[in-house]
Amino acid sequence: DGGITQSPKYLFRKEGQNVTLSCEQNLNHDAMYWYRQDPGQGLRLIYYSQIVNDFQKGDIAEGYSVSREKKESFPLTVTSAQKNPTAFYLCAITMGQGAWQPQHFGDGTRLSIL
Amino acid sequence: ILNVEQSPQSLHVQEGDSTNFTCGFPSSNFYALHWYRWETAKSPEALFVMTLNGDEKKKGRISATLNTKEGYSYLYIKGSQPEDSATYLCAFNWGNEKLTFGTGTRLTIIP
Repeated sequence: DGGITQSPKYLFRKEGQNVTLSCEQNLNHDAMYWYRQDPGQGLRLIYYSQIVNDFQKGDIAEGYSVSREKKESFPLTVTSAQKNPTAFYLCAITMGQGAWQPQHFGDGTRLSIL
Repeated sequence: ILNVEQSPQSLHVQEGDSTNFTCGFPSSNFYALHWYRWETAKSPEALFVMTLNGDEKKKGRISATLNTKEGYSYLYIKGSQPEDSATYLCAFNWGNEKLTFGTGTRLTIIP
């Protein structure tokens, strides 16, 4: 989608290496989210941020880190502590305030282990 | 972690037939129920957000109903078309900024 850009589309990680997935949005929305999808499972929340310089752990935050220094950017770092990083990662924003607002997703990054 | 259950896991439907599938969620602390369509090689797209018991939403041939007291929502597709082939996700919100997603129903329309 033109409003949310995830990069790269494919990423490979070596053992013991940290890698960073990019998520940028030009829609001026406050809330941003990172999800992970594994085969046969639903989207699981890793981290989310509702305002700049603040973020919260989701259900599976171990082995991941994030930052929110700018409103338009919410990068996700997959650290070497994440022992099973192979998955499809989606970034999302909430279109407006409130939990009844739908989420709007990027095109995703597929991470694989070399 | 709250459970959101979707059934069936996958479904094959003949083109032109109608179909429906289910999303089950906790009936307490309900705030909103979301439905998304996720086509292959695309990103998930919001279909409906439902907040009130008895809510019914419609978008073209797709509609959804909501029963918050018993904790389920149905998604209906009338006159299935090949472009309806996708994974349909529901997600539950219980009053904060987080969504809990089900595992999805993968729908395949047979021409």
